[in-house]
Amino acid sequence: QSALTQPASVSGSPGQSITISCTGTSSDVGAYDYVSWYQQYPGKAPKLMIYEVTTRPSGVSNRFSGSKSGNTASLTISGLQAEDEADYYCSSYTRSSTRVFGGGTKVTVL
Amino acid sequence: QVQLQESGPRLVKPSQTLSLTCTVSGGSISSGSYYWSWIRQPAGKGLEWIGRIHISGSTNYNPSLKSRVTISVDMSKNQISLKLNSVTAADTAVYYCARDRITLSFDPWGQGTLVTVSS
Repeated sequence: QSALTQPASVSGSPGQSITISCTGTSSDVGAYDYVSWYQQYPGKAPKLMIYEVTTRPSGVSNRFSGSKSGNTASLTISGLQAEDEADYYCSSYTRSSTRVFGGGTKVTVL
Repeated sequence: QVQLQESGPRLVKPSQTLSLTCTVSGGSISSGSYYWSWIRQPAGKGLEWIGRIHISGSTNYNPSLKSRVTISVDMSKNQISLKLNSVTAADTAVYYCARDRITLSFDPWGQGTLVTVSS
């Protein structure tokens, strides 16, 4: 299975909105609504931010939102803040009952 | 709340077997219909899913690692174990365990443990 495709980096100014894409295939992202997103700070474990494409766990800011169209899922961060500077990973369930991650996107707040 | 903690040798010699344990606290691994996954991350690189196990013993593995991986569960100790054999330097990474929820998302995660493969 191949990793999902994410842009290596995305940047934005405080207050702006940014969107991170996550492109897979009809065997993973396009097959199910089981895409999740994780935020990771350096040296720390990833944190779940979005699951089932659009759902935020309790405690996650509503500035984070998810969507999906075809084989591409997206994470949007609105009202960008300095604390949002981190790495972000998408993950999807696959038709083979396995899981696959994206390569990760580094978000920089200018 | 459920917490996970990885443990095991930090240094493994090439060609040997990497063995890690994930201890779950704050809840029983046998409660709820959860899978438990292992995920790794080489320094400066992305996340790679290794495999998962259900309390029933059912497993799924990453095809690229399947021939070398065994994941098991010990409900009496509330632990999940990972064995990766015939390791090389490419297996050097931070290894995480995570609960694999019914929503097919990983939460929570352990803090991770760095395993280095070197002679």
